[in-house]
Amino acid sequence: EAGVTQFPSHSVIEKGQTVTLRCDPISGHDNLYWYRRVMGKEIKFLLHFVKESKQDESGMPNNRFLAERTGGTYSTLKVQPAELEDSGVYFCASSVGTGFGYTFGSGTRLTVV
Amino acid sequence: KNEVEQSPQNLTAQEGEFITINCSYSVGISALHWLQQHPGGGIVSLFMLSSGKKKHGRLIATINIQEKHSSLHITASHPRDSAVYICAVRGGSNYKLTFGKGTLLTVNP
Repeated sequence: EAGVTQFPSHSVIEKGQTVTLRCDPISGHDNLYWYRRVMGKEIKFLLHFVKESKQDESGMPNNRFLAERTGGTYSTLKVQPAELEDSGVYFCASSVGTGFGYTFGSGTRLTVV
Repeated sequence: KNEVEQSPQNLTAQEGEFITINCSYSVGISALHWLQQHPGGGIVSLFMLSSGKKKHGRLIATINIQEKHSSLHITASHPRDSAVYICAVRGGSNYKLTFGKGTLLTVNP
């Protein structure tokens, strides 16, 4: 079984540019989560999809962040325009159901310069 | 104060030593996760606990729901165990994880 795949693994962009992160969950996992670790801080929840619907986006920092999961398969997280404080590692995770274990992706390290 | 506190923040051990990492939380939970992250690597789920104790190889995780405390033990530690170990709790909403800051473990040969 393929794991959770994230792309790209690293991204370096200039302030003001746009970046799109992608997450491919495990096939059949309806639940998809985005998390973020900013330097020196703990990992924090961003949002949760069930299939293509956003169940909870309370962790999204501001309206510069847009997440989508068209068709309930892969998800994208777009940051536009990127700011310096957006730098960090963005993790995606998926699960069969909300009461089940998570499988995490390897993360995307975003650096905004 | 974070809802999930881990101790110690950093831990250095010699190969073969018994390791204990602690996690305390302040909220009601439905499950607690122990996760591992090697340098530059992704996050791997080690255990998901809601009560009692679980064992996998040299790793043992325990949880005391009444005391809101969990421990991760590593027996006969090895340099390949060097990683960040992260405690995360799932609250009553049953899907969102709240993370501790992690414990950086270094096992020297």
